[in-house]
Amino acid sequence: KAGVTQTPRYLIKTRGQQVTLSCSPISGHRSVSWYQQTPGQGLQFLFEYFSETQRNKGNFPGRFSGRQFSNSRSEMNVSTLELGDSALYLCASSSTGIRTYEQYFGPGTRLTVT
Amino acid sequence: AQSVTQLDSQVPVFEEAPVELRCNYSSSVSVYLFWYVQYPNQGLQLLLKYLSGSTLVKGINGFEAEFNKSQTSFHLRKPSVHISDTAEYFCAVSFNAGGTSYGKLTFGQGTILTVHP
Repeated sequence: KAGVTQTPRYLIKTRGQQVTLSCSPISGHRSVSWYQQTPGQGLQFLFEYFSETQRNKGNFPGRFSGRQFSNSRSEMNVSTLELGDSALYLCASSSTGIRTYEQYFGPGTRLTVT
Repeated sequence: AQSVTQLDSQVPVFEEAPVELRCNYSSSVSVYLFWYVQYPNQGLQLLLKYLSGSTLVKGINGFEAEFNKSQTSFHLRKPSVHISDTAEYFCAVSFNAGGTSYGKLTFGQGTILTVHP
């Protein structure tokens, strides 16, 4: 099976702009989670989608949003970018619904905000 | 409160020496436990998992971990490390807390393992 893919791999944006990141899960996986990784805060949970519905959300401002399509592909959007949004954004897919069993991660999108 | 603590931020070892990376968690609910490895400029790769059953779990690349419920620990071990094991290792926990836990792993701060020749 192909793994989790994320596009683009690298992105440079300017403060105030918005950005959309894409994630394609492993075939058959219906749960997609997003994480932000920074040197200072580590790995932090952004949100999770299952069957096109956001089921869980972390403690991030409303500028961070996401969606999931019927084929389980997911996008996350960050509006009005701030310097502090510079990070590695990781998505992970999982096959299950209720409990979080193992998640499989993509290579990440490295976002740099200047 | 639910939290995950990796006790060592950096662990230097010599090649072929044993290593233990420590992870403790705090929880009032049941948990699933995971170790992931991250190489530079890459995503996270699952090393091993504990869901239920035997408390000693074996993973890829010769790693193993032991779940100790009374001490709320899940330490990662390898009897003999190789240069290629140099990477950052993350302990992750899935807390069974209903809706607030859906799709969410809580990670420790990471341990950078450096293997010297």
